[in-house]
Amino acid sequence: NAGVMQNPRHLVRRRGQEARLRCSPMKGHSHVYWYRQLPEEGLKFMVYLQKENIIDESGMPKERFSAEFPKEGPSILRIQQVVRGDSAAYFCASSPQPIDRVQADTQYFGPGTRLTVL
Amino acid sequence: QQPVQSPQAVILREGEDAVINCSSSKALYSVHWYRQKHGEAPVFLMILLKGGEQKGHEKISASFNEKKQQSSLYLTASQLSYSGTYFCGSFSDYKLSFGAGTTVTVRA
Repeated sequence: NAGVMQNPRHLVRRRGQEARLRCSPMKGHSHVYWYRQLPEEGLKFMVYLQKENIIDESGMPKERFSAEFPKEGPSILRIQQVVRGDSAAYFCASSPQPIDRVQADTQYFGPGTRLTVL
Repeated sequence: QQPVQSPQAVILREGEDAVINCSSSKALYSVHWYRQKHGEAPVFLMILLKGGEQKGHEKISASFNEKKQQSSLYLTASQLSYSGTYFCGSFSDYKLSFGAGTTVTVRA
């Protein structure tokens, strides 16, 4: 049973370019979460998606960042016109489903994509 | 609002014990504990739910005091493999908010 898969594992972009990060959840999981981790810091929630729906994007910067989880294929986190401050590790996690608003099932993390902006 | 973890860092010798604390100013409904080694993904350790139910996969125990809005992770008879950064997460409104982490170093 494959775990959460992310690609690429490392991504280098120049300022102004676009970055596309992909996440394939574990088999049977329909809920995807994206987190950002700056060097030597904790994980910050960015967005929570179900198939074809963005449930909560309260942690996403208002500009340049977008996320989707189409009916077919992986979830995509897209960063347009990257800046040096976007350099970070981006982790995707998946879970079968939250039980309700406050009781969650386990989230399993992928290996992350380390984005470096030159 | 993210939970607060303490201590920030701890150094142990193999076989020693340690406690990592996690507290929240908001109501804690469930607490999730993860360990992350440098350059790797966070790995699930434990989930504690209201009512005392626990789900975990390793020989690491934890407690959850709902009234005090606190959780503690107990590292007993630590092994070298316990080294890493431990994060607690509080779940609310469908998302996890993580603490800043506690870095644990276990030395031989």
